[in-house]
Amino acid sequence: AQSVTQLDSQVPVFEEAPVELRCNYSSSVSVYLFWYVQYPNQGLQLLLKYLSGSTLVKGINGFEAEFNKSQTSFHLRKPSVHISDTAEYFCAVSPLRGTDKLIFGTGTRLQVFP
Amino acid sequence: NAGVMQNPRHLVRRRGQEARLRCSPMKGHSHVYWYRQLPEEGLKFMVYLQKENIIDESGMPKERFSAEFPKEGPSILRIQQVVRGDSAAYFCASSPQGQGGSYEQYFGPGTRLTVT
Repeated sequence: AQSVTQLDSQVPVFEEAPVELRCNYSSSVSVYLFWYVQYPNQGLQLLLKYLSGSTLVKGINGFEAEFNKSQTSFHLRKPSVHISDTAEYFCAVSPLRGTDKLIFGTGTRLQVFP
Repeated sequence: NAGVMQNPRHLVRRRGQEARLRCSPMKGHSHVYWYRQLPEEGLKFMVYLQKENIIDESGMPKERFSAEFPKEGPSILRIQQVVRGDSAAYFCASSPQGQGGSYEQYFGPGTRLTVT
């Protein structure tokens, strides 16, 4: 079985400051890793994903994440946030072999202040 | 290419009624997933379907919930005799094919079910 832990339920930050949203996972099998963003009253949009290869993954809107196998982490970072980045961010995993279902963390609400 | 479509966007039902949620996957996608998001929580997997087949329903409640994805038409998530605890946002996602999660799942805007 797999599980995902997002350690921070809320992260307040000022505009143009850097931000890191933390994600740790637990799995007995190899997994793919994902970050999704959800704007208010909307569906989820994929920010980035790690399937294999380079452990530093670049996504949309200036976000990037680094896969750390030894620490079972996949933290999301952005060097300079904008007001428009205010949203809910979900980390998710999916086992390499299986039925492709996504297992989500509980989410981190990023609040960017002017 | 239209995205994943869900309707209705908002649905209000009284306790004991039936709720029927529809999902039209992206064109060319034959795999559909349903997730439920309870207030202040993350999304929880419910069921994974291909055309005319339920592949994984390990996240579906044992009673009152059912899902189908017919050869023609949208996927339907049906909740019979709704209770207040069924109030949630229900999201549908589609992908072109399976194979271990490497294919991106595209999410619809969700149906927000309120049970009064």
